[in-house]
Amino acid sequence: DAGVIQSPRHEVTEMGQEVTLRCKPISGHNSLFWYRQTMMRGLELLIYFNNNVPIDDSGMPEDRFSAKMPNASFSTLKIQPSEPRDSAVYFCASSSTGGETQYFGPGTRLLVL
Amino acid sequence: KNEVEQSPQNLTAQEGEFITINCSYSVGISALHWLQQHPGGGIVSLFMLSSGKKKHGRLIATINIQEKHSSLHITASHPRDSAVYICAVRLGGNKLTFGGGTRVLVKP
Repeated sequence: DAGVIQSPRHEVTEMGQEVTLRCKPISGHNSLFWYRQTMMRGLELLIYFNNNVPIDDSGMPEDRFSAKMPNASFSTLKIQPSEPRDSAVYFCASSSTGGETQYFGPGTRLLVL
Repeated sequence: KNEVEQSPQNLTAQEGEFITINCSYSVGISALHWLQQHPGGGIVSLFMLSSGKKKHGRLIATINIQEKHSSLHITASHPRDSAVYICAVRLGGNKLTFGGGTRVLVKP
């Protein structure tokens, strides 16, 4: 299996632009998680889906952030408009029913200038 | 106060030394995870514990539910063990809450 796939791996954009991060979970996994990692706050859960349905989005910072999971093999995290404080590494992870082990993607390093 | 506290924040060891990283949490949990983040940034799940002890190679993880405490031990440490080790607790469902991480450097 290819593991969790994220794209792009790196993104540099200017303040105000829309940013879309993509994730393909491991086939057969039905839980998907979006995390953000910064030096100041460490790893934080933004949102997670179970069977394509958002279960907990309490970590989503504000209305500028939105996440979708239109099918079991694809999810997006969108930031519109982006701000410099959104600069971070965004990880996607997936797990199977029971959620014992989460498998992390390589992350997307986002820099908003 | 963070729900998950790790200590130490940084640790330097000589190759071959025994390393212990601690994790304390303040709420009831359904499980505790130990993760390893490599210098390149990739994150790997090492263990998931709900009780007792687990061993994988030179890594040993223990948990004491009553004391709300877990430890990760690395025996015969090696420079390739240099990484950030992160403790995370599962409060309910699949949601993880993370500790701040312990940065480990093993010198040859």
